[in-house]
Amino acid sequence: DTAVSQTPKYLVTQMGNDKSIKCEQNLGHDTMYWYKQDSKKFLKIMFSYNNKELIINETVPNRFSPKSPDKAHLNLHINSLELGDSAVYFCASSQRSGTHTGELFFGEGSRLTVL
Amino acid sequence: SQQGEEDPQALSIQEGENATMNCSYKTSINNLQWYRQNSGRGLVHLILIRSNEREKHSGRLRVTLDTSKKSSSLLITASRAADTASYFCATDNGGGADGLTFGKGTHLIIQP
Repeated sequence: DTAVSQTPKYLVTQMGNDKSIKCEQNLGHDTMYWYKQDSKKFLKIMFSYNNKELIINETVPNRFSPKSPDKAHLNLHINSLELGDSAVYFCASSQRSGTHTGELFFGEGSRLTVL
Repeated sequence: SQQGEEDPQALSIQEGENATMNCSYKTSINNLQWYRQNSGRGLVHLILIRSNEREKHSGRLRVTLDTSKKSSSLLITASRAADTASYFCATDNGGGADGLTFGKGTHLIIQP
């Protein structure tokens, strides 16, 4: 069984469209994340979600919105897509211990291409 | 802001040789972790070293941590072609749900 699964793996769309990426983890972790990896492979955290507490990276445009229907799911919705949104988006999960972050388990990534 | 900075950005060695990658960071940490990413895949956790630890081993991996210099190194001994990948260090800065802050990575190529 895949621990962290995200769909779709590839997404090609036009500028201005709205799209969603889904993520599910079956590890029983209490914290989930979305990371963006750019063309130079730099990984930047976008959101983390823990027990209904949402931490947003202040540099993320408000066109991006995470939605968590339950502890095992954290979906990413993107409005009005722009060329610069093209990247690989990774979902991850971990089990927090106080303020300590342990090992992250990553999905396989969703490659978004905006034309 | 960028926390981890890996050095070198790219490394090419012959199979069987040892590969050493370095990571520097700027703020205090709870722990430092190393991840591997094969081309087109997700990141896979390799090893975690806590701020009160100085060295840790896992199979062919050896990680050191020097908190006074805010640096870590990852040594892969007896490299194999399958070790070809990008390697990232990541720091837990104790921000609770802030997750890990990743460096830019070292792309390692093992020549057969």
